[in-house]
Amino acid sequence: ETGVTQTPRHLVMGMTNKKSLKCEQHLGHNAMYWYKQSAKKPLELMFVYNFKEQTENNSVPSRFSPECPNSSHLFLHLHTLQPEDSALYLCASSRSGARGRTDTQYFGPGTRLTVL
Amino acid sequence: GQQLNQSPQSMFIQEGEDVSMNCTSSSIFNTWLWYKQEPGEGPVLLIALYKAGELTSNGRLTAQFGITRKDSFLNISASIPSDVGIYFCAGQDRGGAQKLVFGQGTRLTINP
Repeated sequence: ETGVTQTPRHLVMGMTNKKSLKCEQHLGHNAMYWYKQSAKKPLELMFVYNFKEQTENNSVPSRFSPECPNSSHLFLHLHTLQPEDSALYLCASSRSGARGRTDTQYFGPGTRLTVL
Repeated sequence: GQQLNQSPQSMFIQEGEDVSMNCTSSSIFNTWLWYKQEPGEGPVLLIALYKAGELTSNGRLTAQFGITRKDSFLNISASIPSDVGIYFCAGQDRGGAQKLVFGQGTRLTINP
């Protein structure tokens, strides 16, 4: 248990569906992240939120829409996805604010997404 | 963008053996991190390195931040079955403290 939970753990959806992934952190952190982990590829950072504000969008297609209503919750809304979007989607959180030093990022268990 | 080359991609060893893996980059990183990921879980931080030349241990794990700031290695001594998993290196991207670049991972399999 890292203090970061993700639901659902597994999701199968069609290309025309709309679904959402949820992440919650119980660590009192102020920064939250979405990563994509595809087979045989490095983890790819998608989005970063600091104090509920999006501070990083790593050229992610608009069919992925993040939402951060508060510092403890992060959502990833999915619509009209493609089969190549099938991957493990990982959420992470960190303390944020430490100048010049990488904040330790704590990862959730991920949502295994399959797009048919 | 910055990229990390991690090797080896996979290792098959006997229990009790020592393990060594490394990451290299063509560009400088300010921080090196080593994570372990087990099946069905997210990556868990093992060791963080913040200074060139730094050597840090965490139990049977030892990692070093290369002097050139372009590489790092992780050693595991006297491996045990629970060491099985995928090990990732990560570097702090020049873009900021929150942007991590990850290696492709080293999959460790241990024969009892």
